[in-house]
Amino acid sequence: ILNVEQSPQSLHVQEGDSTNFTCSFPSSNFYALHWYRWETAKSPEALFVMTLNGDEKKKGRISATLNTKEGYSYLYIKGSQPEDSATYLCAFLDSGGYQKVTFGTGTKLQVIP
Amino acid sequence: NAGVTQTPKFQVLKTGQSMTLQCAQDMNHEYMSWYRQDPGMGLRLIHYSVGAGITDQGEVPNGYNVSRSTTEDFPLRLLSAAPSQTSVYFCASSGDRNTIYFGEGSWLTVV
Repeated sequence: ILNVEQSPQSLHVQEGDSTNFTCSFPSSNFYALHWYRWETAKSPEALFVMTLNGDEKKKGRISATLNTKEGYSYLYIKGSQPEDSATYLCAFLDSGGYQKVTFGTGTKLQVIP
Repeated sequence: NAGVTQTPKFQVLKTGQSMTLQCAQDMNHEYMSWYRQDPGMGLRLIHYSVGAGITDQGEVPNGYNVSRSTTEDFPLRLLSAAPSQTSVYFCASSGDRNTIYFGEGSWLTVV
């Protein structure tokens, strides 16, 4: 069982604040790192698929970076809005095969209006 | 644009009962899987399939059974429900390893 850790576990920010959270994963056998946004009672929705060391991806106010050599990825949200409130999951995909997907426990973000 | 459809959304079972969670996808994906989500834990893989007729165990397979007779469908069977199987279950599919598409989840309570 691979160790994929996310921090912080939860955080509350004021509307308009920028925030970031971390996903740590093994630095060996890397295939891809995914970020998902998960609202309560809905299905997790893909945000980013990152495959190359140094990747930077952006979607609106949300961006992510990837460092495969040291085994971490950052997710940034600029100017948080109440609709950003959700749990953000990362998933580490091992090069060993389809079943080798390990999810982190998520960071629960609450944006206070 | 259905994507991944799983039913039922909510279910209460008595200990020892059996039931099947249904999962269907209309994207012609080869890869399908079942996860469970428990408080304080990430999504954990129960069973997965890499194509019709091919299934294998994930991280937490005990007490569950799967089959994949068609590309579209991947049902999860609880053989004899136990309170430890109270959880939220997600079905997922992927055409490659680039994006995983999830169903909306099934909330199962075993009393």
